[in-house]
Amino acid sequence: SQQGEEDPQALSIQEGENATMNCSYKTSINNLQWYRQNSGRGLVHLILIRSNEREKHSGRLRVTLDTSKKSSSLLITASRAADTASYFCATARDGSSNTGKLIFGQGTTLQVKP
Amino acid sequence: NAGVTQTPKFQVLKTGQSMTLQCAQDMNHEYMSWYRQDPGMGLRLIHYSVGAGITDQGEVPNGYNVSRSTTEDFPLRLLSAAPSQTSVYFCASRGWGVGTQYFGPGTRLTVL
Repeated sequence: SQQGEEDPQALSIQEGENATMNCSYKTSINNLQWYRQNSGRGLVHLILIRSNEREKHSGRLRVTLDTSKKSSSLLITASRAADTASYFCATARDGSSNTGKLIFGQGTTLQVKP
Repeated sequence: NAGVTQTPKFQVLKTGQSMTLQCAQDMNHEYMSWYRQDPGMGLRLIHYSVGAGITDQGEVPNGYNVSRSTTEDFPLRLLSAAPSQTSVYFCASRGWGVGTQYFGPGTRLTVL
């Protein structure tokens, strides 16, 4: 079964606006990761946040993690047309950090209009 | 480094045929995984390996076999293809102690 549920499933914004995507998961985790997938391409890792971290930044990306609510959010600030892609959260469960097993959510499709 | 490579990029099979999807990585990663991606389903883990000679099942292993004879290669075998196996298949690898997974470009498989 899917570990992560993402919300919204689709998001359409204007260039320059901020985009926020949310991810909820079911079991305790070791870390949570966000990936981007451009149409027809493989997934590209964006950011990893460990279970003992609450917030992490990378360029225009800001990720938060609330383990009490089993949820995470990805904020893309000052969006660009090139940010148009699908975004996936993926979790590594407790005890699986050394197996490479990631459980993915269904993804949020982001469209940034120029 | 080429990273994670997958062949072929596209494949059409008839029901009952068998084939092997190839995956190779040149980063000396211990961990390799196979996922399938279906519309609206995200990625689901098929099989994974924590090193040469060691493999285990993921969420949806039925109909697929894997082996890991070398660190570099992790082929996925479809024994008797079924239309339900029509999907995009991604291979990924990860190094020891690092969470980031590196994905290949994918193989788009259609089973008629």
